[in-house]
Formats: sequence, structure tokens, C-alpha cells
Amino acid sequence: GQQVMQIPQYQHVQEGEDFTTYCNSSTTLSNIQWYKKRPGGHPVFLIQLVKSGEVKKQKRLTFQFGEAKKNSSLHITATQTTDVGTYFCAGLNQGAQKLVFGQGTRLTINP
Amino acid sequence: DAGVIQSPRHEVTEMGQEVTLRCKPISGHNSLFWYRQTMMRGLELLIYFNNNVPIDDSGMPEDRFSAKMPNASFSTLKIQPSEPRDSAVYFCASRAPGLRNYGYTFGSGTRLTVV
Repeated sequence: GQQVMQIPQYQHVQEGEDFTTYCNSSTTLSNIQWYKKRPGGHPVFLIQLVKSGEVKKQKRLTFQFGEAKKNSSLHITATQTTDVGTYFCAGLNQGAQKLVFGQGTRLTINP
Repeated sequence: DAGVIQSPRHEVTEMGQEVTLRCKPISGHNSLFWYRQTMMRGLELLIYFNNNVPIDDSGMPEDRFSAKMPNASFSTLKIQPSEPRDSAVYFCASRAPGLRNYGYTFGSGTRLTVV
């Protein structure tokens, strides 16, 4: 079945450093979504990417969808303590109805 | 809107007992999903419903797990009998109808501990 792999599993940075998490799917995706889960909280939808090669920005966050629609990345510029949490990618297979989540990347930040 | 509402927030039970988790999706959302989060396996989809009908329950671990959605505003996930390995955070999520391009809205989750 479809698998979504996400790396790294953990990332610790100094405040102000950049952060990137990568997501790879075993199958071509219809779209990919990104979620953020704060410690003790629940996943919150951030964004969806649909088009091949698409790039979207939300303030310091940049999301990319690969040309082959099988990989994606989330980059945070100049991290802040409010960025702490686990970032999940979730892929939707073409023709499917359910999202498959990656394992998540847990980001911790030294202030 | 109050969002997706789950209850209870925390549940501690003894092995062998029946556990029922509850979820109220956002009004107007017609898809409902049950996920389980563990350190080892991340977020796993257990089952999902469209218009109250179970569509895919291939993620349900075994016969001890069952889920129902008797109406558009309520769903339950039942574990009977519960086992220590069922300990996890269980999330319910819902999604608006129409295009498949909307993000899921998650509830706050139920942290289940089976001792």
C-alpha cells in the first residue's frame, strides 16, 4: 500500500536557525497536506499543495511539491520558539479518499 | 463553531475492560476519520466514514475494535476487551464535503491508558 516517509524524525535547532523536513511518497500523489501538532495538542492543518512543482509561502514557512508529485518539503526560516512541535505531511493518492500521514518531524528549539 | 469535539480527554482503564471513545464532527462535515497516534507508528488511520457510512476499515487493528456513526453528528470507537498495547492518543477528524481539497479538522484527542 501507499507509504509516506518523512525525515528527519527529530530536529533540534538554535533559535534563529533554519529548519527543513522532507516527505517522500511511494506513489504519485493527487495532493499533499501539511499539519502542525504542538506538544500535547492536536494536528492543525497548515496548507495543501496540488500542482506539480508548486511552491507556497506562509510568512517564514515555505512549502514545496516535487515535479513528480512524490515528494514535498517544508522549510522554516529563522525559527522561533513558537515553531516548536511536530510537523506532519499527509499525502492523498490519486483516486483515493484517505490521507496517509508521514511519521512526523519533531522540532525542538533552544532559545 | 466549537470544532471537532472528543470525549473523554483522558481515559485510564484496566485490561479487559470495554472502552468507548466519542466524537462529534463539525456540523456540515460529511467525512469522519478515526486516527491513532503512537510513538512507534505515528498517525494511523483506523477507519473513515462518508455520509455516516463506513468506507474503509482496513486500519482497524483487530476484531476488538469497532466503530459506528449512527448519525451525522456522532461517532464512537469501541475497544472490547482493551489491552495495554491499545494505549495511545486517539484522534477524530472531520472534513467538509465537495472537493477533496480541504484539510482535516482534528479534535483534541483522547489519551487512552490501559493498565
